[in-house]
Amino acid sequence: DAMVIQNPRYQVTQFGKPVTLSCSQTLNHNVMYWYQQKSSQAPKLLFHYYDKDFNNEADTPDNFQSRRPNTSFCFLDIRSPGLGDAAMYLCATTTSGTLEQFFGPGTRLTVL
Amino acid sequence: AQSVTQLDSQVPVFEEAPVELRCNYSSSVSVYLFWYVQYPNQGLQLLLKYLSGSTLVKGINGFEAEFNKSQTSFHLRKPSVHISDTAEYFCAVTRKNSGGSNYKLTFGKGTLLTVNP
Repeated sequence: DAMVIQNPRYQVTQFGKPVTLSCSQTLNHNVMYWYQQKSSQAPKLLFHYYDKDFNNEADTPDNFQSRRPNTSFCFLDIRSPGLGDAAMYLCATTTSGTLEQFFGPGTRLTVL
Repeated sequence: AQSVTQLDSQVPVFEEAPVELRCNYSSSVSVYLFWYVQYPNQGLQLLLKYLSGSTLVKGINGFEAEFNKSQTSFHLRKPSVHISDTAEYFCAVTRKNSGGSNYKLTFGKGTLLTVNP
């Protein structure tokens, strides 16, 4: 089945230690999104790629970076995680002409 | 800019009872509307969407929603819920004709539906 895959599902890191979260998709979608979702809150868009074009949200901290080496993969890098960065991180995809975003299962990040 | 208000943060109901989850939106332009469901420790799954046409939209798992332009609402309903419907439900909007690099969803804060036996 075509899907959006996120690895790992659970990630524990230490305060200030860089961490990378991974997203891959078999849908061949050209748009990929990264959301941050804190407990009992709505998903908050961090940034998205439209093809190779990177679109950062104005209020996304510089601590968050992203890479998209090819259509299938997208990475979220947190350079110096703080306690406030503990959250579920969701990856989603869509393609031009459709309006549904397809979400991965998420990576729950814990910062110690 | 668009905004979404989900009036109830939690809705407890008994199994087989009807349920309505409320969603109101604010936008200066025409919008598309969505309901997503999130089961514990999972990603979001699309329940249904309103793009145009009939204001009553049917989705998966027996859910339906009605778009009311005059009241700027898009309430989600199910006539008889099951234990398995226990989940977080998010209403979302995007601006019409916002395809391409501008396609972004604005989510409400979510409503936790708890179905009790």
